[in-house]
Amino acid sequence: KQEVTQIPAALSVPEGENLVLNCSFTDSAIYNLQWFRQDPGKGLTSLLLIQSSQREQTSGRLNASLDKSSGRSTLYIAASQPGDSATYLCAVRPNTGGFKTIFGAGTRLFVKA
Amino acid sequence: NAGVTQTPKFQVLKTGQSMTLQCAQDMNHNSMYWYRQDPGMGLRLIYYSASEGTTDKGEVPNGYNVSRLNKREFSLRLESAAPSQTSVYFCASTRGWGLETDTQYFGPGTRLTVL
Repeated sequence: KQEVTQIPAALSVPEGENLVLNCSFTDSAIYNLQWFRQDPGKGLTSLLLIQSSQREQTSGRLNASLDKSSGRSTLYIAASQPGDSATYLCAVRPNTGGFKTIFGAGTRLFVKA
Repeated sequence: NAGVTQTPKFQVLKTGQSMTLQCAQDMNHNSMYWYRQDPGMGLRLIYYSASEGTTDKGEVPNGYNVSRLNKREFSLRLESAAPSQTSVYFCASTRGWGLETDTQYFGPGTRLTVL
C-alpha cells in the first residue's frame, strides 16, 4: 500500500533562508509526483508536477526533485519570504491498482519577517 | 475562467440530515474527484469520475453518493450525516485519465460541521 510521509510537520525559518521540504513514498510505481501549496482556509494550488521519467522541475524560486528508486522528493525554496508561509503538500499518483492520488499530511511553513 | 467552483463554502448539519455539495469546472476537464481533508491525515479520495457518465469509489466512500450530472458538474451527497463526516471537502479536476502530465486543479473547499 502506497504511503506518503512529509517531514517535518512544521518548520519556522527567518526570511531570506533557503530551505528544503522532504517527501517520501513507499512504492516507486508512480505516474507523477506533485507539490501543492495550501493557504489557511483555502484550496490547494499546484506548484510543480514531476513526471515519473523526470528528475526535477523548476519554477521561479522553487525546485522539486524526484528520486523514484529511493522513494524521495524534495522541494527547495530559495530566499524564503513571509509570503511563502503556507502548508506544502506532496502527492503521488500510482500507476497500479486503479486510480487514486495519495497525499502526505503536509509541512506547515512559517517564514518570519 | 473560474476554474473549479464549490458551493456552499460553509455548512452546519444536525446528525441524520442530508445535503448535497456542488462542484463545477469550466476547463473542459474529463475527470473529477471528491476528497475530504481531516487534520493530520492529508487528503483522502472519496469518489471519482474518470469521464462523463462514470463514477467509482475511492478510499473512503462509505456514507456518500455522487452524481456526474454532465461533463462540468460533479455532486457529492450525504444521505444521513454523521459527526464523523465533519471535515473539509474538496473537489478537483484533471484534463484526462492516467496521464503522466496531468495536474490536479482544486476548488476552494466546503467546510462541513455535523453536530
